[in-house]
Order: sequence, then structure tokens, then C-alpha cells
Amino acid sequence: SQQGEEDPQALSIQEGENATMNCSYKTSINNLQWYRQNSGRGLVHLILIRSNEREKHSGRLRVTLDTSKKSSSLLITASRAADTASYFCATDHTLAQKLVFGQGTRLTINP
Amino acid sequence: DVKVTQSSRYLVKRTGEKVFLECVQDMDHENMFWYRQDPGLGLRLIYFSYDVKMKEKGDIPEGYSVSREKKERFSLILESASTNQTSMYLCASSLGTGIYGYTFGSGTRLTVV
Repeated sequence: SQQGEEDPQALSIQEGENATMNCSYKTSINNLQWYRQNSGRGLVHLILIRSNEREKHSGRLRVTLDTSKKSSSLLITASRAADTASYFCATDHTLAQKLVFGQGTRLTINP
Repeated sequence: DVKVTQSSRYLVKRTGEKVFLECVQDMDHENMFWYRQDPGLGLRLIYFSYDVKMKEKGDIPEGYSVSREKKERFSLILESASTNQTSMYLCASSLGTGIYGYTFGSGTRLTVV
């Protein structure tokens, strides 16, 4: 399966702390994307990192990509209660022409 | 902002009914996708389309069909609804493959009784 795997499946931290989620995948990619999903809603695109990039920032988000290890991490700094959601990585594989989603990390920010 | 609109947030249908889930996007995106999301299984691709009247099977097309008569509209059809098709259905669109993210609709939670 090409499906990415997120780790951990669930994460609970205090407001203000940093949250780190990891994603691993199996085959070559064009890019890797991270999405957020609030409960019962659609997914929202957060950030895209291309296979030739190693790190990307967007506001409080930092994404790294290590193609040699076939892994990525999403760091959310200074977490807020509003960051409570599920986070998914999605991989755009070289020959697949479609995104493949992992099963997500459920992040809970405690006030 | 790109909007992807799914016609219903919640839908309850009876076993054996033909069900239509509608999705409309307003930014002239070439690509459209239908996923279903189930606990423990993540998002699974049902069908996708790269152009009008064009469709490609995803990972779980059985029991479904699609229609794309106009660029902005991508319909998912459950030919004869079954209880195992109870799920959250998510429509998405993108400008192109390989370099753009997807824009998702809010989802349709379908219950088949």
C-alpha cells in the first residue's frame, strides 16, 4: 500500500506547548501535503512540501521532509485550543496522479 | 477563495434506493475527486475525474458510479444503496496534479437504513 502512516494516532498536550506529528510513506513522491479536519467537517489544506524541499514554514506550522527516510513531520508551535483537530498527511506519488491519505493524528489541546 | 459545495450535510436513505451526491466547485478546477471516510480506515478514493466526461476508478469504486457533464459539477451515484455505504463522503477539487493542494467540501454524512 502507498498509504502514509501518521504517528502518533492521538496526541494530547497543554495549550502553549508544541505539537509534533510524523508521517511515513513507502514509495517515491512528487510532494507531501498536510491537512486539518475539524470534527465532522471537510479537510482544509495546510501546507505542501515538494520532494526537492527539506523544510517549509507557514505561520506557526513547520514541515520537514526527509526523502531518504520517506518521512515528514508537522510541528505546530505555541498551540491553541482552536488547533484541536485531526491532522492528515497526504502523499502525491510519482506515478499515481492522486493523493493518498494517511489515517490521521487526533490532536487535543487542553486549556 | 475556492469553494467546493456539497449539496447535503446529512442524508438518510433506504437500502436499495438510488442516491445522488452532488458536488460543485466555483474556480474552474480541472480535477475533482470523491472520497469516503470511515473510522479506522481513513480516506479512501472512490472515483476521480480530470476533465469533463472523463472518469477514473479509485481504490474502492464498487457500488458507485460518477458523472461529470460539466466542468464544475461532479456527481457520485450509489446505484443501489446498502448499509455498508453508510459513511462520510468528501468531494474535493484541485487545479492540477503534482503541484496543487486539494480543496474539500464540508462533507455529506450518509446513513443507509
